[in-house]
Amino acid sequence: GAGVSQSPSNKVTEKGKDVELRCDPISGHTALYWYRQSLGQGLEFLIYFQGNSAPDKSGLPSDRFSAERTGGSVSTLTIQRTQQEDSAVYLCASRMTSGSSYEQYFGPGTRLTVT
Amino acid sequence: AQKVTQAQTEISVVEKEDVTLDCVYETRDTTYYLFWYKQPPSGELVFLIRRNSFDEQNEISGRYSWNFQKSTSSFNFTITASQVVDSAVYFCALSSLSGSARQLTFGSGTQLTVLP
Repeated sequence: GAGVSQSPSNKVTEKGKDVELRCDPISGHTALYWYRQSLGQGLEFLIYFQGNSAPDKSGLPSDRFSAERTGGSVSTLTIQRTQQEDSAVYLCASRMTSGSSYEQYFGPGTRLTVT
Repeated sequence: AQKVTQAQTEISVVEKEDVTLDCVYETRDTTYYLFWYKQPPSGELVFLIRRNSFDEQNEISGRYSWNFQKSTSSFNFTITASQVVDSAVYFCALSSLSGSARQLTFGSGTQLTVLP
């Protein structure tokens, strides 16, 4: 079946602008995660969704970052007033929450460059 | 707090050599999962294996094998008879089973280069 998809694959934006990153999880996966991969910080957890709720937002680095999920499916990560340190690859992952499957499946990522 | 350490930043081997990637973890949880993911040059993280804290049996899948030792908090990954296509960054990760989030805590990754 289809995997996790993310769009855009690349985004270049000017400092101070807002950006929206989209994630389409695997159909039927109720858990959805956003991670960030940067040279200095490695792979970091940002936020977790169960259905449309986000019970764990502990990884969001500042209040400029927000995310939502609608219909238990698509999620959007929004970064307001982007800064150069926001430049990174943003990865989305999803997993099932029933049965014994705990592995997360990742999308190809969105490479964000803030100039 | 959880932590995963992959002390080997880069490893280079010649094709057909065996190579072991080290992973050491720290957690206060008694139940947890350990994972290995592969990130080839294309960038997408590919799931390789999951191991739960209850099961210390080693596992072999083709040329891949994993050695989980709870006593030393290690979960090492061996590739036998390496191939050029094995060149990638390999990440070890830990997930607590307490709470619902179960987010992954990643190590810093090991860049494996297999030379022809």
